Amino acid sequence: DVKVTQSSRYLVKRTGEKVFLECVQDMDHENMFWYRQDPGLGLRLIYFSYDVKMKEKGDIPEGYSVSREKKERFSLILESASTNQTSMYLCASSRIRTDPYEQYFGPGTRLTVT
Amino acid sequence: QKEVEQNSGPLSVPEGAIASLNCTYSDRVSQSFFWYRQYSGKSPELIMSIYSNGDKEDGRFTAQLNKASQYVSLLIRDSQPSDSATYLCAVRCRDDKIIFGKGTRLHILP
Repeated sequence: DVKVTQSSRYLVKRTGEKVFLECVQDMDHENMFWYRQDPGLGLRLIYFSYDVKMKEKGDIPEGYSVSREKKERFSLILESASTNQTSMYLCASSRIRTDPYEQYFGPGTRLTVT
Repeated sequence: QKEVEQNSGPLSVPEGAIASLNCTYSDRVSQSFFWYRQYSGKSPELIMSIYSNGDKEDGRFTAQLNKASQYVSLLIRDSQPSDSATYLCAVRCRDDKIIFGKGTRLHILP
């Protein structure tokens, strides 16, 4: 079974703090993704990565950065957290060779910025 | 702007009946289509993927794809209370990005 894990289920941070969200997958997937999900807005892609040290902006990259130093790990960084970044953050991974583009999600991190 | 449209619901279906969930998409050259189930407070879980026109069955679930009409659906037979969830349609577009619909809330009435 594909397993995607995220470092925290719930996180509370203060405005202006630097926040790190970690994601690890154990299926040797090439692709990894960060989304946020908000009521009424659905899933929105923040950043994705097709390979180690590679990153691509998604639809809403402002205020975020990412790091992928190892194939299995993809980190999302909020440089200076703001209240409008309060959301559910979801990490996903997928292959590019077999069953391409089927994304498998981690359990999510519910981030509250106060 | 590529879009994936779903009726937000809630769609209420009696237990044991067939639930029919629909999705339309705007990118005519889309090749891959996915259905995810998301329980409240949980992350999306892949149920089915479909790549060719026609029907694909997996247990109580059937995905139907009509590329000419840019339409994909999910049928759930013998609906159970545990099927109550939000169902997300997702489409792979020509630039390989996956676009998600906002989901349809399904409520199975006991």
